[in-house]
Amino acid sequence: DAGVTQSPTHLIKTRGQQVTLRCSPKSGHDTVSWYQQALGQGPQFIFQYYEEEERQRGNFPDRFSGHQFPNYSSELNVNALLLGDSALYLCASTSGTGLTEAFFGQGTRLTVV
Amino acid sequence: GQQLNQSPQSMFIQEGEDVSMNCTSSSIFNTWLWYKQDPGEGPVLLIALYKAGELTSNGRLTAQFGITRKDSFLNISASIPSDVGIYFCAGVGRDDKIIFGKGTRLHILP
Repeated sequence: DAGVTQSPTHLIKTRGQQVTLRCSPKSGHDTVSWYQQALGQGPQFIFQYYEEEERQRGNFPDRFSGHQFPNYSSELNVNALLLGDSALYLCASTSGTGLTEAFFGQGTRLTVV
Repeated sequence: GQQLNQSPQSMFIQEGEDVSMNCTSSSIFNTWLWYKQDPGEGPVLLIALYKAGELTSNGRLTAQFGITRKDSFLNISASIPSDVGIYFCAGVGRDDKIIFGKGTRLHILP
């Protein structure tokens, strides 16, 4: 049973560029949430997707957008990258919109130079 | 917004010692979660607490949901080398958003 898988594992981008990160949820899960984890900090909630719609959003600018596909996989897009966007981006999946007992992927380490 | 204060920030202990860490908040949470994160990995759920006053164990780990619903603690008994890592508390409010603490880094001295 595959857990949550994320790709790529590492990425280096230049300021101003755009990036797309991908997540496949754990088998049987239909809800995907994205988190940003800066170095030395806890994960911060970006948004949650359920039934192909954004259901909840944290305090992140519109440069952060996402999408969920019919197979429940999800993408996180970040436009106009800033140096401060460098972080570990985590995807978590659950069954339904409740966020308890979320299973996390190993994350994508994004470095903006 | 809601914030969690997790302490201590880091701990240096001898193998075999017991460990205690806690989280406090000015906000009420409906659920408390404790995660462990190893380097290069995502957080892994250790214990979930759903009711005020609840005390739950998972092997050598014990966690409690505070009566006021504003705090929680995690204890690890008889620490072993594989306990090294970062432990995060997380609270789930009425809006179902998970708020994470900043983590407690556990180091075990040889």
